[in-house]
Order: sequence, then C-alpha cells, then structure tokens
Amino acid sequence: QVQLVESGGGVVQPGRSLRLSCAASGFTLSSYGMHWVRQAPGKGLDWVAVMWSGGNNIYYADSVKGRLTISRDNSKNTLYLQMNSLRAEDTAVYYCAREGGIATGWFDPWGQGTLVTVSS
Amino acid sequence: EIVMTQSPATLSVSPGERATLSCRASQSVSSNLAWYQQKPGQAPRLLIYGASTRATGIPARFSGNGSGTEFTLTISSLQSEDFAVYYCQQYNNWPPYTFGQGTKLEIK
Repeated sequence: QVQLVESGGGVVQPGRSLRLSCAASGFTLSSYGMHWVRQAPGKGLDWVAVMWSGGNNIYYADSVKGRLTISRDNSKNTLYLQMNSLRAEDTAVYYCAREGGIATGWFDPWGQGTLVTVSS
Repeated sequence: EIVMTQSPATLSVSPGERATLSCRASQSVSSNLAWYQQKPGQAPRLLIYGASTRATGIPARFSGNGSGTEFTLTISSLQSEDFAVYYCQQYNNWPPYTFGQGTKLEIK
C-alpha cells in the first residue's frame, strides 16, 4: 500500500529553523518525482518544491527559494524539507505528494500533512 | 507563471443534482490539468488528470472536460460525500505548478 507520512511540524519563532520529514512506504521514493505543497489556514494549495527522481533536478517556488531546501535519504525512503529563516507567512499545513507516475505532473498520493506555525 | 481561476467560489447544489465547476488558465495548458477534492481536515485527493482521465477508484459520476484554457469538472448526481472543496492544477508550464483558488461545493 502506497503511503506518505509527514512529521516534524510545530510552533517555531520567526527566523528559526525546522525540518519536516515525509516517510514513504509501498514504493521506492527515489523512483518518483516528489513534491511539497502547503496550505495556509483557510486558504488554497500552494506548490513549494519538487525533487525529480534522479535527484539532480530540484525546483522551488520563488517565495521559498534560498530558505527552504528539499532533499531525500534513499536508505530511509524519506523526503525532507529543511526550513530556514522562517516567516509568519510560512505558517501552513505542509503536504508531501508523489507524482502520479514517472514525470507526470499530477500529485497522487498525498500525505496527511503536518502543521507548521511561525509565531513569536 | 500560469494563473488558474476557478468559478464560482461557492456552488450550492441539492443532492442528486448535477454540479459543474469551471477552471480557466491564463494561457494554454494543453490537457495538462488535474482536479482534486479536499474535505475538511483531510489531504487533497486526486480525481482527474490529463483533463479527463479519472484516477483509480474515482466513481464514474465525476467527469472532466476541456483543453487549452477552459476546463470543467462535472459531478453528475451529487452524493452527500461529494460536498467538499475542489481544486484544479496545471502541470504544463512549471515551475511553478499552480492551483486554482478552489470551489466550495455546498449542500443547498
């Protein structure tokens, strides 16, 4: 059964750091493009970053470039999002999502999400 | 960046009736469009990809149509479990991948 489970969210002060994890099961993480998508409270979906299956191609939304870093550990079949210099506007539920197929562009499945709150 | 615009923001429909949701792209995305359903407190769920292909396990009452800049999601006979927020997403020109702002489908 294909499953994604996020963890690592919490309350953090502005300017501090946090690392989110997304543990994959039922498939090999490195064989698929993997994304992070976030959703601010009461708002819509906002794409954050992607790491392609080869691991060399990584892209970010302009709003997070230079502050958030996507990575993975193939031995643990886990995706990460390192979040530095956090701002209030980064407050959101963060979802990891797999591409539905190889180089497809749609997201399926999604994890259950982990809430990050940036507040002093 | 391609801007996706969904209409209406809220749609009130009675159970058993048909619902039609619209999504417009600021430039052509060919057929590279997906639809998702999100219920309160849950992650989004893929319904449609390639503008018209139902994802695995999605009931036949859900159908997608369109290409270029105009797309629709139709739910032929609304069931109670269909009341949710629906998002469209383009994956033709990226980064960034972009979503519409969502349509809330509520019970009339």
